[in-house]
This record gives sequence, C-alpha cells and structure tokens, in this order.
Amino acid sequence: ETGVTQSPTHLIKTRGQQVTLRCSSQSGHNTVSWYQQALGQGPQFIFQYYREEENGRGNFPPRFSGLQFPNYSSELNVNALELDDSALYLCASMHGTDYGYTFGSGTRLTVV
Amino acid sequence: AQSVTQLDSQVPVFEEAPVELRCNYSSSVSVYLFWYVQYPNQGLQLLLKYLSGSTLVKGINGFEAEFNKSQTSFHLRKPSVHISDTAEYFCAVSRGGNLIFGKGTKLSVKP
Repeated sequence: ETGVTQSPTHLIKTRGQQVTLRCSSQSGHNTVSWYQQALGQGPQFIFQYYREEENGRGNFPPRFSGLQFPNYSSELNVNALELDDSALYLCASMHGTDYGYTFGSGTRLTVV
Repeated sequence: AQSVTQLDSQVPVFEEAPVELRCNYSSSVSVYLFWYVQYPNQGLQLLLKYLSGSTLVKGINGFEAEFNKSQTSFHLRKPSVHISDTAEYFCAVSRGGNLIFGKGTKLSVKP
C-alpha cells in the first residue's frame, strides 16, 4: 500500500483566483472524498466520487468542483477563491464499502 | 439530519492516567461510528470503527470505544496514556458514505 498522497502540501492564492488540488489514492480505492477543515474545526464533507461519478455532495457552492480519474487520482477545483476558503483540504479514499477511509496529509490553502 | 457533539474541546491528563473522550451523536436511524486521530500537520488516522456487532470496539494504540445506542454515545477510552497520545481526536458518524465529524477534542498528555 502506498497510502493517499496530496499535492501540493501548502499553497497561497489571491482572492478571486482559481486553484486545483490533487490527490493520488491507493490502487483499488474507487471511492474518494474531499473534506475542508477550517482552523479549530472538524473536517466538513465537500463531495464524494465513486468510479469517476459524483455521488454525494455537502453544503458547498458549485465553485467547488472535482474530478476522479481511472488511475485512482482525483482533483478538487475551487474557483473565485474567497478568504474563507483558507483551510486544510483533505482527500480520503476507500476500497469497496468497508468504511475504512484512508486520509492524506492534506493541502494547506491560504487565500490572501 | 445527523450531528456529532464532542463534549470536551480540551482534555489535559497526566502520563499513565486513564482517559475518556466523550462523543454523542444524533440520528434517527442506524449509523456507523468512528474515531480518528490527527497529529499536528498531518491528516486523519482511523483509530477504530463501529459498524455492527459487539458494542465494545478495540482499536489501535490501545484505544477502545463503547457504542451505547440508548444514550447515543460512542466514548473513547484508554486505560493508560502516553506522551505520544497528545493529538486531536475526532468522532464521526456515517450513513451512506460521507463522514460527519465533531469539532474535535485536543488531548494533552503531561509528564
């Protein structure tokens, strides 16, 4: 197992810009979820993909979008960045339905 | 709607003492329950999960939790903590895939 790898680890963007965060999941993990963790808070569910189709979404606006690729990698895209988007973004993947989510170390996004 | 309440935001404890981190959830249907640990500048690591079966669940690093349906609780316990257990702990509930997390409890183990 190689775990879940996220890139970049840190990122600084300006308000209004767009950002793409990347995640590489373990082979065979066909479910991937993205979470936003603001400072001092628990992670909040953004959306989930299963076999390249979005199959669940949390209370986030459409400017948060994603993609999942056949090679078990995925992306989180955020358009029109706002200061409140500053957070740790976590990717989690799971094999089948065992609920054994494996989390990456996250990308720390700072919007200035 | 499901929600998770972690009753203590911070728990200080001395090394080798027992600890209990409290978690209550609200849901009108059966759910799955989880505890995750987050060390500084890292992602989340699964400590244990309750899907069904025995209400006492044993996890990694000597942690265990007990599912109590009548009290809608899933408290995490460890009989003797180490300095290395200093971290933030998150309780989470799931039904249908995504996880709903509590706000976390910061465990601080002092020598």
